[in-house]
Parts: sequence; C-alpha cells; structure tokens
Amino acid sequence: QKEVEQDPGPLSVPEGAIVSLNCTYSNSAFQYFMWYRQYSRKGPELLMYTYSSGNKEDGRFTAQVDKSSKYISLFIRDSQPSDSATYLCAKAPGNTPLVFGKGTRLSVIA
Amino acid sequence: EPEVTQTPSHQVTQMGQEVILRCVPISNHLYFYWYRQILGQKVEFLVSFYNNEISEKSEIFDDQFSVERPDGSNFTLKIRSTKLEDSAMYFCASSGTDTYNEQFFGPGTRLTVL
Repeated sequence: QKEVEQDPGPLSVPEGAIVSLNCTYSNSAFQYFMWYRQYSRKGPELLMYTYSSGNKEDGRFTAQVDKSSKYISLFIRDSQPSDSATYLCAKAPGNTPLVFGKGTRLSVIA
Repeated sequence: EPEVTQTPSHQVTQMGQEVILRCVPISNHLYFYWYRQILGQKVEFLVSFYNNEISEKSEIFDDQFSVERPDGSNFTLKIRSTKLEDSAMYFCASSGTDTYNEQFFGPGTRLTVL
C-alpha cells in the first residue's frame, strides 16, 4: 500500500489562475506535512509545513490539512510562470525521515 | 540565509569505483539525512544521522553505503563499489530540532555511473 499518493500531472494553467494540488496518505501515524517545490534537476525547496489540521497561509500559498480524511492540499493564488515546477508533498511521523509523494508537475502559461 | 551545500554538483565514475559525496549542513542543525532521486522517480530516503551515529536507514542503504561526519561541518556519503543503478541525484538535508521535522535540502549531486 502506497503511503503517499499524488497525481503526477502534468497540470497546465494560465497565468493568474488558482492552482490546487492534492495529496492523500494512508498512515495515520503521520503528524507533520510539508510541501516542497522542485525545479528541474535541483534540490527540493521547502515551501510550507504544518502539523495540525486546518489552513496555513504564506503569501500566495495556502496549505490545507484534513486529518480525518487523510487529505492535504496546496493552493497557489495568482499563479506565475515562475511557479512552474514539480510540487512534492511529504509526511513524517515525528522526527523521522520524510516520505514523499511522486510530485505533481505544474506549468503556468504566460 | 543559511543553506545546505553539496559538492561536487556532478560526479561521473566507472562502475566498481568508490565515490564520496560531500555536504555541509546548516551550521546549528543536529539531524542530517541523505536522500536520492532516480531520474523521473520520487525522492527516497537513504539514511539519517544524529549524535554521530546512524539513527535510521532504509533498505536501499546496504553495506555498500556509509556515512561519516569527519569534522564539525562536513557530512559525507560514501559508496564503496558503484553500480549502474546507483546513478541518481543525491540530496543532503538537515534539520535543527526534534520538535518538528522541517528539513532543508541541498542542491544535490548528480552521480553518473558508467
């Protein structure tokens, strides 16, 4: 059973659109949730993390966690071409190694 | 802003050769990790290191792999006898506390085994 599932895309949207990226997970022991952005052949860059249910906002980015349904989302408002990247969700049960999803490739078209 | 650095950015080696990948974690961090990403696949955990010893390792991290923190700043991953399937991006990461697991990644080393 896969622990973290993520639609690989690709997802293509016009500039200025609201983007919704989603992940589901299967292990209830997961407590911490992160979103990373990865440009081609670069290291993952931490965008947001949270360890509770509900919403967390940072600029144009909002992370949403629903532990009851084991579902996490990342919303990007006013998307820009520079947001074009692969977005990875990751979970960890406490201070242990991250378990990544496969990533969703996003293209924002100018 | 402090960041994780890795050298070299690209390493080409012959099958069977030993390679050492180097990382300088963020200076006040306590936990160190190696991950790898085969082209087109997801990021996979290899090993974590805390208090000068391995705290956890995955099935991938077999006897061909070793890690070391030779001084107060460097963290290395050694592959003793490389195989073709070791070709991947190798990422070092570090995190600061045991309160939550906010890990920061380096830019990666692309390892090509011929």
